Amino acid sequence: QVQLVQSGAEVKKPGSSVKVSCKTSGGTFSSYAISWVRQAPGQGLEWMGGIIPLYGTPYYAQSFQGRVTITSDESTSTAYMELSSLRSEDTAVYYCARSLQAFYYYAMDVWGQGTTVTVSS
Amino acid sequence: DIQMTQSPSTLSASVGDRVTITCRASQTISTWLAWYQQKPGKAPNLLIYKASSLENGVPSRFSGSGSGTEFTLTISSLQPDDFATYYCQHYNGDSLYTFGQGTKLEIK
Repeated sequence: QVQLVQSGAEVKKPGSSVKVSCKTSGGTFSSYAISWVRQAPGQGLEWMGGIIPLYGTPYYAQSFQGRVTITSDESTSTAYMELSSLRSEDTAVYYCARSLQAFYYYAMDVWGQGTTVTVSS
Repeated sequence: DIQMTQSPSTLSASVGDRVTITCRASQTISTWLAWYQQKPGKAPNLLIYKASSLENGVPSRFSGSGSGTEFTLTISSLQPDDFATYYCQHYNGDSLYTFGQGTKLEIK
């Protein structure tokens, strides 16, 4: 059974960066899109971007362009999301999620447990 | 950009009720639509993909329909475990996702 395990909670200062990891276990890593979705307190879901490790090219939502970097490491089956120039509005739970179908950005059937990022001075 | 609009934002219902949530796309999206259930403090859970395909392990009381710009999620007979927030999501297979704003299903 495929599982996504994310790194632990982070507390960051405004203006700094955060890097969250998402390790895949129990299944194929390279051919499935991994996306990052965030949820601010009391708010809805927001797609930030994603990557298919086999292809290596990340895609980003327009609202995060220039501030987010998504990478993957096939040797450890781990995807990463780095968000820079943090502000208080970036306080949220960040999820990674895997596409149901290989080679496409499809519906997301496996989700990580979420990583809480708190931005506070 | 394609916008996804759900209605209602909040829905009050009772155990045993049949409920329907609607999701409208700002332009046609064929059947590239998924539905998720999310409970407080938990990650979303995929219910329906390709507008009407039931994900493995999801109870058959959940169903999805629609194509083009209008889609519905129906729960045929509400169970206590179904009170949660539901999101629709457009995906295009080619690196773009858009979520609806969510529908909170509450106990009446």
